[in-house]
Amino acid sequence: QQQVKQSPQSLIVQKGGIPIINCAYENTAFDYFPWYQQFPGKGPALLIAIRPDVSEKKEGRFTISFNKSAKQFSLHIMDSQPGDSATYFCAASRGNRDDKIIFGKGTRLHILP
Amino acid sequence: ETGVTQTPRHLVMGMTNKKSLKCEQHLGHNAMYWYKQSAKKPLELMFVYSLEERVENNSVPSRFSPECPNSSHLFLHLHTLQPEDSALYLCASSQGNLWGEQFFGPGTRLTVL
Repeated sequence: QQQVKQSPQSLIVQKGGIPIINCAYENTAFDYFPWYQQFPGKGPALLIAIRPDVSEKKEGRFTISFNKSAKQFSLHIMDSQPGDSATYFCAASRGNRDDKIIFGKGTRLHILP
Repeated sequence: ETGVTQTPRHLVMGMTNKKSLKCEQHLGHNAMYWYKQSAKKPLELMFVYSLEERVENNSVPSRFSPECPNSSHLFLHLHTLQPEDSALYLCASSQGNLWGEQFFGPGTRLTVL
């Protein structure tokens, strides 16, 4: 119930392609779904987040698609660049003091020049 | 300095040593967290402090001992660690709603021999 399942574990995409990373959850009480980006030697940093009242959110080249009925959400990176190469983590929480944020295992993304 | 800083960045210790990890946040946040990051595993929450009071201890072995002397500083005291404790230890902070957007430090890469 508390897990967030993330796939794929690793992904290689040509520059300009659209990598897609998928996450699934079980706890229907989750209402906050952030994505974190982590570069080597750095801590994770919030990239983009969505709440279940919308089905899509875009920030620059990054888009979250959210499917509430399927309990799935995904990250799409448009016109991917080598500088996007990083590890991406999805997460979920209730945004509630009593519930902690749950992270996926991460996806290591490599964009080929 | 800005953001969340951690020292040392790298640490090698024997199983009988005692060492401490330090975290400092310059963001005026009121909550701080310790996470353990191991390869191919989700981020594992270890400890949470809100307003300098510990609110969660995620069943962490007693060989890890946290200390939060004020809202800007967080320590993780280590003693008699095991090789399986080797990992990246991340500190994070947040403001307002506990479990909201978390700002991570760069981490301390710990190796236990």
